[in-house]
Amino acid sequence: NAGVTQTPKFRVLKTGQSMTLLCAQDMNHEYMYWYRQDPGMGLRLIHYSVGEGTTAKGEVPDGYNVSRLKKQNFLLGLESAAPSQTSVYFCASSYSDRVRNEQFFGPGTRLTVL
Amino acid sequence: EDKVVQSPLSLVVHEGDTVTLNCSYEVTNFRSLLWYKQEKKAPTFLFMLTSSGIEKKSGRLSSILDKKELSSILNITATQTGDSAIYLCAVAGLEETSGSRLTFGEGTQLTVNP
Repeated sequence: NAGVTQTPKFRVLKTGQSMTLLCAQDMNHEYMYWYRQDPGMGLRLIHYSVGEGTTAKGEVPDGYNVSRLKKQNFLLGLESAAPSQTSVYFCASSYSDRVRNEQFFGPGTRLTVL
Repeated sequence: EDKVVQSPLSLVVHEGDTVTLNCSYEVTNFRSLLWYKQEKKAPTFLFMLTSSGIEKKSGRLSSILDKKELSSILNITATQTGDSAIYLCAVAGLEETSGSRLTFGEGTQLTVNP
């Protein structure tokens, strides 16, 4: 099993450009999440999904959109990139029950916006 | 709004030392507290503590949950250079939609020098 995978691993954008980050999981998890990590700020939740076809806003959703068309995939889009979106982005997935709270993380995408 | 605070934010020790990392939280309807280790890539799961499992141990690492003080500690004995990492604390609160939405602290950067 590959677990959680993310593409691309690195990307450099110019201000105003758009891009999509792809997350895929093969653990049949219901829940998926997108986080950003900035120095000294831990992980902040951008958007999450509790199942195929559903999405919800997290702590810092502005400037991002997401889609969950298939259970195993969760896409994060930046329509018009800004330098403030320079960060490391992590995708995660988890079970949907109340007991197994552990989230499984992908390797991350390092995004730089010039 | 759920909140997690970790201390210290950074720590430098010598191999063989024992360290204690702290995590305090404010969360609506606490469900669990999780510790993760993050070396230059994705966070990896260490422990999950709940009301029914307030103490966990694995090798040189151990963790205790204090529900009265709304806090947790992570102890690492006989530290090794391979313990150098960011240690993240996260809490899960009960939500109507279940699942495992986590709130993360800022992390503690541990550096173990030979």
